[in-house]
Amino acid sequence: QVQLQESGPGLVKFSETLSLTCIVSGGSTNTVYWTWIRQSPGRGLEWIGYVSYNGNTDYDPSLKSRVLISRDTSENHFSLDLYSVTAADTAVYYCARGRRYCSAGSCRHYFDFWGPGTLVTVSS
Amino acid sequence: QSVLTQPPSVSAAPGQRVTISCSGSSSNIGVNYVAWYQQFPGTGPKLLIYDNNSRPSGVPDRFSGSKSGTSATLVITGLQTGDEADYYCGTWDKSLSTEVVFGGGTRLTVL
Repeated sequence: QVQLQESGPGLVKFSETLSLTCIVSGGSTNTVYWTWIRQSPGRGLEWIGYVSYNGNTDYDPSLKSRVLISRDTSENHFSLDLYSVTAADTAVYYCARGRRYCSAGSCRHYFDFWGPGTLVTVSS
Repeated sequence: QSVLTQPPSVSAAPGQRVTISCSGSSSNIGVNYVAWYQQFPGTGPKLLIYDNNSRPSGVPDRFSGSKSGTSATLVITGLQTGDEADYYCGTWDKSLSTEVVFGGGTRLTVL
């Protein structure tokens, strides 16, 4: 069974860097997309981006200029760095395993395992 | 507001059938596959349906999904009090630079 667990500080100061790690255990790492998603009352579920099984990355355009997702395959974890945070970045952050592929012109991108989430608050 | 539109809440009695709708457009649901997630308070979402109507191992067949045109529907039959949760739809959107879009979520209350 695949398990994911987020870890990192629950409080980050305005304009500083939010850094989270997701520890992964179990399951296949083939053709998967290690993903960060966040959730806040005002913005619902928001996809942040992924690092893929082969090291490619993709990010939501609204965050692209200040986000980095990286992986450490030997340590079975991947990480999120979000720079220059503001109050709008206050949210519960989830790591998830993504499945993504297209066939015959139709695409799917879904998340089959999620971590429990960690609340990050940006303080002034 | 979310790209996909869901009703904020639905309710039904135990044992009954409930449907949750997810409305999108020709650039997302109209051409791509839909997934549904179940979320209990204080926990991460759980995949309930993928590829419009497929259930991961362990998900009861009381949960089913369908898609027609630019809308998708989650159906829950034989409603149980333990089904009381938030439900989200999600899919890929070809028109936006962001790949993944979600609905705003529907709170299911079991009366």
